[in-house]
Parts: sequence; C-alpha cells; structure tokens
Amino acid sequence: QSVLTQPPSVSGAPGQRVTISCTGSSSNIGAGNEVHWYQQLPGTAPKLLIYGNNNRPSGVPDRFSGSKSGTSASLAITGLQAEDEAEYYCQSDDSSLRAWVFGGGTKLTVL
Amino acid sequence: EVQLVQSGAEVKKPGESLKISCKGSGYNFATYWIGWVRQMPGKGLEWMGIVYPGDSDTRYSPSFQGQVTMSSDRSINTSYLQWSSLKASDTAMYYCARRGDGYNVLQFWGQGTMVTVSS
Repeated sequence: QSVLTQPPSVSGAPGQRVTISCTGSSSNIGAGNEVHWYQQLPGTAPKLLIYGNNNRPSGVPDRFSGSKSGTSASLAITGLQAEDEAEYYCQSDDSSLRAWVFGGGTKLTVL
Repeated sequence: EVQLVQSGAEVKKPGESLKISCKGSGYNFATYWIGWVRQMPGKGLEWMGIVYPGDSDTRYSPSFQGQVTMSSDRSINTSYLQWSSLKASDTAMYYCARRGDGYNVLQFWGQGTMVTVSS
C-alpha cells in the first residue's frame, strides 16, 4: 500500500483532457513538501515530467501541467495523444518516514 | 549531456551476493545525490535511498535499511547498490537516478538493471 494514493487507471479519447490525482497526508503533501510527476512508457525507464508541483523540465510539452492543494496534487494532460499512453507516478517527501515516497501509479489509456 | 549507464542484467541464486553499478557522465558526479529505485515485475516504483558521491553519505528508506548497501567511488564516477545475501523477492528492475537541482526529485535516470534471483 503506497503512502501516496493514485487511481489505478484513467482513460480518455485523443484530444481530450484527463487528470490524475495523488492524495497524501499531513506528513507529506500536506506538510508543504513538493510533488513531482514521472511518466513511464512501456518497457522504459521513468522520465521526469513535472517537478516542484508545477514546473516542466526542458522538452516536456506544455500539454502537461501540475497543481497542488492541501494534501493532494494533480497532473493534467490536455490534447491527449496516443503517445501519452503510459504509467504515471507522483512522488514527494514524507517527513515522518524520512523518505521519498511514490504513488502506486496510474495507467493512462488513450481510447 | 547528463548520462547514467547501469551495469547489465544479472541472474543469481538465493544466498549469493551482488553489486550493481551506475556510472555518471556529463556533470560533476561528486556533487549530486544518486537515488536507487526498485520496480518489481508488474509493480510500481519504490524509493530505496540515496547516496552522495562526494562523501558517501547515505539515506535509506526504512523499508530497505539493512537489506542493501549503497556506496560510491567518485574517482570513477560510479555508484553501487549491493546485496550480501539475495532472496527470490529481490527479483526486480533497479534504476539509479540523479537528484535534480534544489528539489528532492529524480531528474536523470539510468536504463535500469534487471536482477533475477532464482534457484
């Protein structure tokens, strides 16, 4: 059971907007710790998608955006494309565990 | 260009020892933390811990403390993850990744090392 909770799956049609939630607690997201998001395409290493709640590394399209409120965070993907089909993970620090923690992952299916 | 290149796949028997590596290039290796992440077959990502090559300071996840050892050799820009006695449950893909600037985030990733433990 992951410290950060994500829905197991989401789906959307090409061109649509989808969001993936990441719910934590007062010892991680709610403590003011930043949230980061990774994309893992099938058979490949994870790739950093969003860091510091809402910042995109160079090369990541602006179709991807992040937000955070209270003990939760969200990843939004607009203009969905077939190539976005992947597993998405959130990550933060947990002050009680003194560890970095990942969400369980969300599989995005593009219909 | 920042690159992390990991050692190749391993097949081991229960009880054997193992050390896998992660070689960095394209940046000052000594000044960035290297993290290790486990991904068991068909499962999600698990943060194992981080090591600072500059002075070999390490921070382990409570779940992995005492189960593995992380180390670095800054003279050859390489970090290591090792086991003294492997178990079948250690079968997984292991990734190394470099911490980003100013954030507890894994910015650059290695390609992964698959470890299979089977009798």
